[in-house]
Amino acid sequence: QLQLQESGPGLVKPSETLSLTCTVSGGSISSSSYYWGWIRQPPGKGLEWIGSIYYSGSTYYNPSLKSRVTISVDTSKNQFSLKLSSVTAADTAVYYCARRWQWPSPFDYWGQGTLVTVSS
Amino acid sequence: QSALTQPASVSGSPGQSITISCTGTSSDVGGYNYVSWYQQHPGKAPKLMIYEVSNRPSGVSNRFSGSKSGNTASLTISGLQAEDEADYYCSSYTSSSTLFGGGTKLTVL
Repeated sequence: QLQLQESGPGLVKPSETLSLTCTVSGGSISSSSYYWGWIRQPPGKGLEWIGSIYYSGSTYYNPSLKSRVTISVDTSKNQFSLKLSSVTAADTAVYYCARRWQWPSPFDYWGQGTLVTVSS
Repeated sequence: QSALTQPASVSGSPGQSITISCTGTSSDVGGYNYVSWYQQHPGKAPKLMIYEVSNRPSGVSNRFSGSKSGNTASLTISGLQAEDEADYYCSSYTSSSTLFGGGTKLTVL
């Protein structure tokens, strides 16, 4: 059974860079056709797609976040990562990593989510 | 790109049917058959319920069904059960991007 687990700091200071890693277990991140992505949800609010990556490194980003987002993949560790720069309080959210079985299918496997708070 | 439009809340009694709408544009919902629906219980990750407008993943009850007409997609839940009480989000593909709706809170009375 495929499992995804987010990890990273739960508190980030304004103007700094948020960094999260998603570790995939029970399957290979390099399997053909699978895309891996990040979605966030501010407290009490809706879902927002951040971006997706293929194991080869091809990426798709939300246009509204593109200037601040970098998603990368480390196939040797079966992990992919998110970096969001110049964060503000508006970036406080639960961050989920997830898998889509092909582009542009929906996300069928999700991590449990991790709350990241932006505060000094 | 704006979020897809969903009603903030819907409600129904056990055994009844409800429908949640999701309105977009010809550039997203209306332009592709890549509309999906997620169910989210409090404190939990979203769960995929419908993909490609009307397909159910393995294990999802056939009480859940999806459809689309023009720029509006719909999720129908028949035979409402207490466990269906949750937030529901629609999602659509659009030009190399993914949009979500604002979410609808379903209350089972």
